[in-house]
Amino acid sequence: DSGVTQTPKHLITATGQRVTLRCSPRSGDLSVYWYQQSLDQGLQFLIQYYNGEERAKGNILERFSAQQFPDLHSELNLSSLELGDSALYFCASSEGGSSYNEQFFGPGTRLTVL
Amino acid sequence: GQQLNQSPQSMFIQEGEDVSMNCTSSSIFNTWLWYKQDPGEGPVLLIALYKAGELTSNGRLTAQFGITRKDSFLNISASIPSDVGIYFCAGPGAGTYKYIFGTGTRLKVLA
Repeated sequence: DSGVTQTPKHLITATGQRVTLRCSPRSGDLSVYWYQQSLDQGLQFLIQYYNGEERAKGNILERFSAQQFPDLHSELNLSSLELGDSALYFCASSEGGSSYNEQFFGPGTRLTVL
Repeated sequence: GQQLNQSPQSMFIQEGEDVSMNCTSSSIFNTWLWYKQDPGEGPVLLIALYKAGELTSNGRLTAQFGITRKDSFLNISASIPSDVGIYFCAGPGAGTYKYIFGTGTRLKVLA
């Protein structure tokens, strides 16, 4: 158990809908990262927050947005969903905001768009 | 952009055999991390390397940070069935906070 929690574990929705994925980092970690992993693919970095502020942005679509709240939990919002958005979405956390910090991953949310 | 290429892409080995996989980049990395991912689960950190030439062990796993800073390898000794999974190397992209993950090596162990 990495100490990072994600909810829900599974999510099934229809095209055009909007969903919110939630992540709670490990106790004491200030950074949260979001990744997307499509079937049999590697992990694609989406976005990083550090202590409530956006720190780095990856290949995140404009239909997707995220935020980190004062209690350090984070939410990833996916809107106008398309079939191709079906994937595993992972959240990771690290103690600091530096890229040298080790990241610890949550169990993921499996999103299925029908 | 920066990429991490892993080889082999996949491998089948017999239980008890040693396994070696590597990760290469066209540019320098200052940190190398190795993760293992079981099906449907999040990646789990196995080993972190911070210095060129560093050799670090974690049980049956040994990883090395290449002298050129453009590669790293991971060895698994005396493989067991639970070693099955996908092994990813990762590291921070130069001058950014972004982590780049390798293409992965899929390991299957035959009992």
